[in-house]
Amino acid sequence: SQQGEEDPQALSIQEGENATMNCSYKTSINNLQWYRQNSGRGLVHLILIRSNEREKHSGRLRVTLDTSKKSSSLLITASRAADTASYFCATDRSNTGKLIFGQGTTLQVKP
Amino acid sequence: GAGVSQTPSNKVTEKGKYVELRCDPISGHTALYWYRQSLGQGPEFLIYFQGTGAADDSGLPNDRFFAVRPEGSVSTLKIQRTERGDSAVYLCASSTGTGGGGELFFGEGSRLTVL
Repeated sequence: SQQGEEDPQALSIQEGENATMNCSYKTSINNLQWYRQNSGRGLVHLILIRSNEREKHSGRLRVTLDTSKKSSSLLITASRAADTASYFCATDRSNTGKLIFGQGTTLQVKP
Repeated sequence: GAGVSQTPSNKVTEKGKYVELRCDPISGHTALYWYRQSLGQGPEFLIYFQGTGAADDSGLPNDRFFAVRPEGSVSTLKIQRTERGDSAVYLCASSTGTGGGGELFFGEGSRLTVL
């Protein structure tokens, strides 16, 4: 079963704009991770944020976590056409790597 | 190899047939995971191994699905009496497993089509 819901399901922006994706989940977690997927095949890990962290940065990525609201957001700044992909949040309740994924947000960045 | 390797990349079979999907994890990674992804959905957890043993197989949908990792490296996902509903991309991932959790490294997946 899916743990999380992602919003929006699809997002289309112009190159250079910022993209924000949101994720909500249902149960307590140890950590939350964001992954990117091109062409429906392998996933690539973007960033991990632990339950005692509120914000994390990696390059053009900024992730926030609000455990009281059971939600997270991923911000991609200054988007590029190469950022076009599906983005998934995934929660890890027990710090085992057993991840529960959301439905994903499909991002299209127009050049 | 440098990454997680999965074979075959594509498999077409007929309903009722037996299928094996292979995963070769990153060398030295002790934890190995199988996920299944249907079109338009996020991956769903099937099973994970810590070393040779299945630490959690709660995601396997029924007893037609079985996975092994006999030497703590390569893993095989086995599906008996395949059904059309088994059609999906089967993803394998590995991680260092030290201390639990952390980043998962995914393979490109095996796309299974059951006719």
